[in-house]
Amino acid sequence: GQQVMQIPQYQHVQEGEDFTTYCNSSTTLSNIQWYKQRPGGHPVFLIQLVKSGEVKKQKRLTFQFGEAKKNSSLHITATQTTDVGTYFCASIKAAGNKLTFGGGTRVLVKP
Amino acid sequence: ETGVTQTPRHLVMGMTNKKSLKCEQHLGHNAMYWYKQSAKKPLELMFVYSLEERVENNSVPSRFSPECPNSSHLFLHLHTLQPEDSALYLCASSQSGDSNQPQHFGDGTRLSIL
Repeated sequence: GQQVMQIPQYQHVQEGEDFTTYCNSSTTLSNIQWYKQRPGGHPVFLIQLVKSGEVKKQKRLTFQFGEAKKNSSLHITATQTTDVGTYFCASIKAAGNKLTFGGGTRVLVKP
Repeated sequence: ETGVTQTPRHLVMGMTNKKSLKCEQHLGHNAMYWYKQSAKKPLELMFVYSLEERVENNSVPSRFSPECPNSSHLFLHLHTLQPEDSALYLCASSQSGDSNQPQHFGDGTRLSIL
């Protein structure tokens, strides 16, 4: 089965509002990577989290890795139309070696 | 970003045809990957090559045959495909075969099987 579940699958956001997408696993993860795929484009690497409780920021994007290393979140503040796309998390199980992608959260922004 | 180039961008083929997808990376990476992306499923890893050796074959049907002649080039040979094989096929590369390395994707080949 799928290693990580992403919720929600779809997110409609009013421009200027904040939103959060989540990546959850039933098993401990070695790391989490986040990618963004614009419509018609290809996945682009955003960031990697490795440490328990780690928080990293990229401008309006805040990425967090859970204390138990079983979940992660991506929070976007003041959403812009350029944030449109699908956000994927990808992870490796602890003691594993294969990167597995979640189903993605597709974000649509209403101007 | 032109680090990973895939050709063709679009391909329409019949079920009895034979075709090949090509991927070339200009990033000096040592690992290359094939993924399948369809509307119904998330990104599915198909094959992994590290230093030109296949290190992962993710239970892919034999009608898909990968080839990695050197660390910069990766091919996916296709024959007698099925309609359910219609999808976006993405190539990626990374510095090494370690799964904690960021992956750089090409623009993909949109494949349609008639």
